[in-house]
Amino acid sequence: DVKVTQSSRYLVKRTGEKVFLECVQDMDHENMFWYRQDPGLGLRLIYFSYDVKMKEKGDIPEGYSVSREKKERFSLILESASTNQTSMYLCASRKTGGYAGELFFGEGSRLTVL
Amino acid sequence: AQSVTQPDIHITVSEGASLELRCNYSYGATPYLFWYVQSPGQGLQLLLKYFSGDTLVQGIKGFEAEFKRSQSSFNLRKPSVHWSDAAEYFCAVGAASGTYKYIFGTGTRLKVLA
Repeated sequence: DVKVTQSSRYLVKRTGEKVFLECVQDMDHENMFWYRQDPGLGLRLIYFSYDVKMKEKGDIPEGYSVSREKKERFSLILESASTNQTSMYLCASRKTGGYAGELFFGEGSRLTVL
Repeated sequence: AQSVTQPDIHITVSEGASLELRCNYSYGATPYLFWYVQSPGQGLQLLLKYFSGDTLVQGIKGFEAEFKRSQSSFNLRKPSVHWSDAAEYFCAVGAASGTYKYIFGTGTRLKVLA
């Protein structure tokens, strides 16, 4: 069974802390995504990676960075967490670029910043 | 502007009743259309997708959706709802090629009465 795993399901951090959200997929997918989900706003793309060490900014990249050193792993980094980054973060992957194939999602990481 | 509209924020149906969730989109390119379901505290799971061909598509868990190009709609239906269908449902659209951008609706939360 295909799987996207987000290692931290629930995190509580303090303002100013550095936060790492990890995502691993076992499907050998080239493309990986980080979305933020907030009630009434749907899913908003933070960053996209089309291959190892390759990334594109999404719609809301401010305050976030990403790292993709290996094909299966895509990390989201909050350099200095703020309360307005309290949210649900969803990682997703898909097989290849060039067409809008289906996304496979992880179970999400719910981050609370105090 | 590209957009996906799910006009119903909440829907309540009785178990065994039929269900229709509405989705309208505005998209310049040839759209690929998706419906995802999200159970509480979980990630998104693909229910079905439309790329081309027959405009009535079958998905998992007994769901189906019909693509109507003239109405820019992709409504999700189920003839008889089960209590386990209570969840949030998201419609999404992606371009046929050359993009990593998906547009998600804001979701419809389904409540099922026993």
